[in-house]
Amino acid sequence: EAEVAQSPRYKITEKSQAVAFWCDPISGHATLYWYRQILGQGPELLVQFQDESVVDDSQLPKDRFSAERLKGVDSTLKIQPAELGDSAMYLCASSSGLGFSYEQYFGPGTRLTVT
Amino acid sequence: QKEVEQNSGPLSVPEGAIASLNCTYSDRGSQSFFWYRQYSGKSPELIMSIYSNGDKEDGRFTAQLNKASQYVSLLIRDSQPSDSATYLCAVERSGYALNFGKGTSLLVTP
Repeated sequence: EAEVAQSPRYKITEKSQAVAFWCDPISGHATLYWYRQILGQGPELLVQFQDESVVDDSQLPKDRFSAERLKGVDSTLKIQPAELGDSAMYLCASSSGLGFSYEQYFGPGTRLTVT
Repeated sequence: QKEVEQNSGPLSVPEGAIASLNCTYSDRGSQSFFWYRQYSGKSPELIMSIYSNGDKEDGRFTAQLNKASQYVSLLIRDSQPSDSATYLCAVERSGYALNFGKGTSLLVTP
């Protein structure tokens, strides 16, 4: 069964350090999303890609966060420098975006702890 | 701010009972509605999608949508302890990212 892959699964870093997360969407899925989920809250969008183009990054803290999807397949999300408040689960999701179905499927997530 | 509201719970039901989870949303332009199940420490798993008014059944799950009332619900029949999780309601407007509620915690007691 096709799945969204993410790595690493867990990351512990000190504040002011740089961290990077990787996501490989389900094969053929043109739309890729990065969400952040704080404990007790629902996921919130950071950035949405359609192929290699950014569709929505209005909630991405651009002073410290960056995201890219250079070849329209896998994607990297970077934080530099990390802050204590960045501790959360970072989730990648993908959808085919075809027809009327926009079902999004999530990867296992990366649990980030900033100390 | 377009919002999705859910009762945080916990909702406790005995094994074998029907669990009823509710969600309201504020954006009348929303077109697609989803329920995700999330176990503690895991990522959300899609369990139901619904696009038209009415009911949609899939096994023990039934999703109900009423766009006029801006209301979505999920019924779980014959609840099992393995159904104990947080259930996230998500609403989407035509190709944009999902807008999630905070989730309802469900506890099914043996």
